[in-house]
Amino acid sequence: VQVVESGGELVKPGRSLRLSCVASGFTFDDHAMHWVRLPPGKGLEWVSGLSWNSRAIGYADSVKGRFTISRDNAQNSVYLQMNSLRLEDTAVYYCARGGRAAASWFDPWGQGTLVTVSS
Amino acid sequence: AIRLTQSPSSLSAFVGDRVTITCRASHNINRALAWYQQHPGKAPKLLIYDASRLQSGVPSRFSGSGSGTDFTLTIISLQPEDFASYFCQNFDSFPLTFGGGTKVEIK
Repeated sequence: VQVVESGGELVKPGRSLRLSCVASGFTFDDHAMHWVRLPPGKGLEWVSGLSWNSRAIGYADSVKGRFTISRDNAQNSVYLQMNSLRLEDTAVYYCARGGRAAASWFDPWGQGTLVTVSS
Repeated sequence: AIRLTQSPSSLSAFVGDRVTITCRASHNINRALAWYQQHPGKAPKLLIYDASRLQSGVPSRFSGSGSGTDFTLTIISLQPEDFASYFCQNFDSFPLTFGGGTKVEIK
């Protein structure tokens, strides 16, 4: 059972970036999926999550209106489209498997992908 | 959003010590709480879910308790590999939230 993120890079403020996460080793469409970030020197922050069928979607207030989560169950993948990036979006972004319910704990987590927003 | 207040933010302890970390929720979340361990540069690891259920493969020296608004993570007989950061997480409803974390250091 694993999830692997990709897509993190250095980007200028105001630009966009799309993160991807590919899952393996479990029945993908039995689980909610989430993105969580760890800003440098700070604690974990849940960013967004969605249910197995994408009918239940949630966002942290800090990213609402700028970030969009989506999934493709045929590709065992979940995505995070990040627009209007800000300096404070700099963080390691983790993809994590949720439970059957949209709101759940996270297990396992990926190794993370670094997003750096800087001019 | 439900706010989780975790304490202490850091602590120093000896190998073999018993350690207790608390997490207080701003509203009743029943038992919708999880605990994670994170070592620097590594992905977080689920320790406890549903406030007190031990995740498969996690040593039995870890335990969780509580319900409603007050929760506790206890590590009995701290081991060298337990020196890490610990976070609580609420999964009662969106938006999901984390506590601020507790860094456990070697004394």
